[in-house]
Amino acid sequence: IVMTQSPATLSVSPGERATLSCRASESVYSNLAWYQQKPGQAPRLVIYGASTRATGIPARFSGSGSGTEFTLTITSLQSEDFAVYYCQQYNNWGTFGGGTKVEIK
Amino acid sequence: QVQLQESGPGLLKPSETLSLTCTVSGGSISRGGYYWGWIRQHPGKGLEWIGYISYSGTTYYNPSLKSRITMSVDTSTNHFSVRLSSVTAADTAVYYCARGVGDYINAFEIWGQGTMVTVSS
Repeated sequence: IVMTQSPATLSVSPGERATLSCRASESVYSNLAWYQQKPGQAPRLVIYGASTRATGIPARFSGSGSGTEFTLTITSLQSEDFAVYYCQQYNNWGTFGGGTKVEIK
Repeated sequence: QVQLQESGPGLLKPSETLSLTCTVSGGSISRGGYYWGWIRQHPGKGLEWIGYISYSGTTYYNPSLKSRITMSVDTSTNHFSVRLSSVTAADTAVYYCARGVGDYINAFEIWGQGTMVTVSS
């Protein structure tokens, strides 16, 4: 299964909303996770089951979608949210998307 | 809380076998419901799922690496391991171990800090 993320880079001002997309080449149902990675750090799980926030993740992060189309929305971006975000399907072993870099506009 | 720490050689020569160990602290690897996985990241690139193992030894590997991978778990010492044979420069990457979120879901909630592995002659 190929996971395609868009856009590759998203420029957003602090306090604004960011919307990230992830598309699967075939249905993964709701078996979709989102991760945040900052430079030099391990990834951090943000969302699993397409819409369940992981432990300690703020409510400004939300996930939606099922089948082949998924969205990660970050409302009111904070300085600590600027990072690279990866989606991962785990319906059939596990594949990651290429990532979306959320940068400061 | 549960913490993971990778260990292994930082440098290998082509054709050698990479062996990495992930030591689990703050919790028992024998506790059911979790997958224990390996993920790697090539320099400046995205993430690649390598595979996972359960405490009972059930494994699931990336098909593209399956012929070269072996994973194992040692509940007595609370660690799990991965061996990757016949390495090449293409296996140069940061290798992470991670624990699944639970309920046998293959999404990784707890990660080690990662260990850099370089393959070079």
